[in-house]
Amino acid sequence: EAGVAQSPRYKIIEKRQSVAFWCNPISGHATLYWYQQILGQGPKLLIQFQNNGVVDDSQLPKDRFSAERLKGVDSTLKIQPAKLEDSAVYLCASSHGLAGVGFTDTQYFGPGTRLTVL
Amino acid sequence: ILNVEQSPQSLHVQEGDSTNFTCSFPSSNFYALHWYRWETAKSPEALFVMTLNGDEKKKGRISATLNTKEGYSYLYIKGSQPEDSATYLCASPEIKAAGNKLTFGGGTRVLVKP
Repeated sequence: EAGVAQSPRYKIIEKRQSVAFWCNPISGHATLYWYQQILGQGPKLLIQFQNNGVVDDSQLPKDRFSAERLKGVDSTLKIQPAKLEDSAVYLCASSHGLAGVGFTDTQYFGPGTRLTVL
Repeated sequence: ILNVEQSPQSLHVQEGDSTNFTCSFPSSNFYALHWYRWETAKSPEALFVMTLNGDEKKKGRISATLNTKEGYSYLYIKGSQPEDSATYLCASPEIKAAGNKLTFGGGTRVLVKP
């Protein structure tokens, strides 16, 4: 089966500019995740969708970050305006998301987008 | 929010040597532990999902053990090869009504030198 697709792979922008990332999850996966991974740290969950509804966005900086998942499939993550501290790898992942067995549900990751804010 | 920690942060291994590193997690309300391998410029790849105390999983030269009572897991690499160079991440889930929310450790970056 095809894996999780992300684009672009790399992006360099100036601070205060806007940027958007795209993710196409594995077909049939109900749950989609966006993570931020800052150098030297583990991935941090930004937002989690179940189909096209938001399950958890408690760690999403909502003053500058937004995300949507259209028709429960593809998703976009936007940053507007970007700050220097947003430089990170943004990972998208998807999983079957079956209720009741969530704790063993494997997440499948895309290759990530490496964002550099100058 | 769970506190998942990994040590060491990085290590260098000579090709052919074996190595191991640790993931620590809260022993209370334990459900599962996930291990991922993340090679540079590639997608993080699932290695193991472990649920039972004393569990041991193996994939090729990589194996992992789990102690849920004391809250740690070891990952072992036997006879390290350059292709084992990667960041190894562990993660523990928080139970939610829909899907799961993984909290990741900071990772152990392994560099295998020829």
